[in-house]
Amino acid sequence: EAQVTQNPRYLITVTGKKLTVTCSQNMNHEYMSWYRQDPGLGLRQIYYSMNVEVTDKGDVPEGYKVSRKEKRNFPLILESPSPNQTSLYFCASSSGAQYNEQFFGPGTRLTVL
Amino acid sequence: DQQVKQNSPSLSVQEGRISILNCDYTNSMFDYFLWYKKYPAEGPTFLISISSIKDKNEDGRFTVFLNKSAKHLSLHIVPSQPGDSAVYFCAAFLTNAGKSTFGDGTTLTVKP
Repeated sequence: EAQVTQNPRYLITVTGKKLTVTCSQNMNHEYMSWYRQDPGLGLRQIYYSMNVEVTDKGDVPEGYKVSRKEKRNFPLILESPSPNQTSLYFCASSSGAQYNEQFFGPGTRLTVL
Repeated sequence: DQQVKQNSPSLSVQEGRISILNCDYTNSMFDYFLWYKKYPAEGPTFLISISSIKDKNEDGRFTVFLNKSAKHLSLHIVPSQPGDSAVYFCAAFLTNAGKSTFGDGTTLTVKP
């Protein structure tokens, strides 16, 4: 089954404790992206990657890191999480030919205390 | 500076009637527009898209209209069904840059 998977789905952590949210897709997609969803703010793009070893900042990259060492994986790293990073996070991917029609993962709900 | 806006947070329509969801944008460089649908506890799913060189795209019950001069697009759902009840996001894309910008979403409720 074609899908985007994220782990963990739920995470409660404390300020400053480094964490990684993994994202993996099995559709051989070139493009991958991370978003956060907050009430009243819609989906905001954090980082995106148009291919392996290529990453770019979205609209809200502060406090986040990403890497794209393999085509299928695009982890989101929070080196020192803060409470304002409490949010619902979505990973998405799409093929190079249609890289605007993204497939989304199920979401990761992160709470930073 | 919010480049994509959905000014109606919610919309309620009767089953069988037309639902019209609206979206405005400010950046004339956007060259691709999409609508996504989101159910609770799930990720958004792609619904329909339109290139900036077109003014209409239709897929079954869903039609998207683009008015470039007004920087406005709309999604029409005809006829509306209770299963269409969800949050709808408008998104705009700069295809050369790979950046996408989403609106805040509109919650559609279709009443039986």
